[in-house]
Amino acid sequence: GENVEQHPSTLSVQEGDSAVIKCTYSDSASNYFPWYKQELGKRPQLIIDIRSNVGEKKDQRIAVTLNKTAKHFSLHITETQPEDSAVYFCAAPGGSQGNLIFGKGTKLSVKP
Amino acid sequence: ETGVTQSPTHLIKTRGQQVTLRCSSQSGHNTVSWYQQALGQGPQFIFQYYREEENGRGNFPPRFSGLQFPNYSSELNVNALELDDSALYLCASSLGQGNTGELFFGEGSRLTVL
Repeated sequence: GENVEQHPSTLSVQEGDSAVIKCTYSDSASNYFPWYKQELGKRPQLIIDIRSNVGEKKDQRIAVTLNKTAKHFSLHITETQPEDSAVYFCAAPGGSQGNLIFGKGTKLSVKP
Repeated sequence: ETGVTQSPTHLIKTRGQQVTLRCSSQSGHNTVSWYQQALGQGPQFIFQYYREEENGRGNFPPRFSGLQFPNYSSELNVNALELDDSALYLCASSLGQGNTGELFFGEGSRLTVL
């Protein structure tokens, strides 16, 4: 079945630095790749997503890149701020209808 | 616009008991998905309901069951609770069935099984 692997599991950066989180997926038919942010004790919230017909998408300080050949996609956060500290999850469609498979998450800590 | 609400927020059960968790979807959304999130893990898909019918199911045993009502709210029922069922149960609503659109999550119901 579909598998999504996410790295690193923890990431610590200084405020103002960039952060990159990478995910790989196994199903070459996957066509939708969202990223969710979950602050401590809060609900996951979508921050950006990309569909398979484009290679990159940007939204202010956040960008996602997709390499369909290598079956991996990455989240890039530039000029990090303390409020970016959270757990970030990547996801990809699973085998069954409605199924979204999430990675295990990356805990990002931004130090002031 | 009302967001996704879940109840109860916390509950404690003992092994073998049954539990019902409830979810009200965001207004205008006709699809509800349920996820189990163990501590330190990503959400894991349980099932999805679209227009009152189960639309897809993850790798969970039959003792996990659900319902969706005409107003698109939903229930998750778990029978014969096991210790490993301890987790945060997240409900997410969306517009339309499938897995290629934004999920709007509730705050979750944290279940502890003793």
